[in-house]
Amino acid sequence: DAKTTQPTSMDCAEGRAANLPCNHSTISGNEYVYWYRQIHSQGPQYIIHGLKNNETNEMASLIITEDRKSSTLILPHATLRDTAVYYCIVRVYGAGNKLTFGGGTRVLVKP
Amino acid sequence: GAGVSQSPSNKVTEKGKDVELRCDPISGHTALYWYRQSLGQGLEFLIYFQGNSAPDKSGLPSDRFSAERTGGSVSTLTIQRTQQEDSAVYLCASSLEELSSYNEQFFGPGTRLTVL
Repeated sequence: DAKTTQPTSMDCAEGRAANLPCNHSTISGNEYVYWYRQIHSQGPQYIIHGLKNNETNEMASLIITEDRKSSTLILPHATLRDTAVYYCIVRVYGAGNKLTFGGGTRVLVKP
Repeated sequence: GAGVSQSPSNKVTEKGKDVELRCDPISGHTALYWYRQSLGQGLEFLIYFQGNSAPDKSGLPSDRFSAERTGGSVSTLTIQRTQQEDSAVYLCASSLEELSSYNEQFFGPGTRLTVL
């Protein structure tokens, strides 16, 4: 799986949008970008995934650059409950693929 | 519905003892994964089960680690002769693996293992 690079940490004000960048310059054509987050003392939670088109769900939006070498996860209105470590993962779509977690970005949402 | 459950939530053991960690996946999920997360470290893949296929054991750190999945449902991770470096949170995940799905993995709350 392609390696990803994320900032170690970032702060965000409650109610504001949080933009989390991820670089994946060696991504292959059959690899998707997945985002998971891990709230303190809990297991990771799936957020969103995409291939090349921008994606949106009830939790977040995912913006992938045209060359697919980077992406941004957007939390539109951050709340204190969004404080967590956010992991950007690149993996092949389909069955049987383990998740390879990097260091992630530790996001602290402040009141 | 019920999510992935793991037991015990916490386990303290003495160096050299064997431990068993249990995972109950979401009903109907054919794939089951074990990961571990050491203090201050990222999540590390250990082993993967899919249906009746041979498990992918490529992440097991040593032959002291083994896992089984009975009846395609419950899984047990066994660590023999535990060492202090085995102290970590052990996470289980399951997914409904179909070629047409994105195979979202649902994680349990983990078992925190402390080896004294």
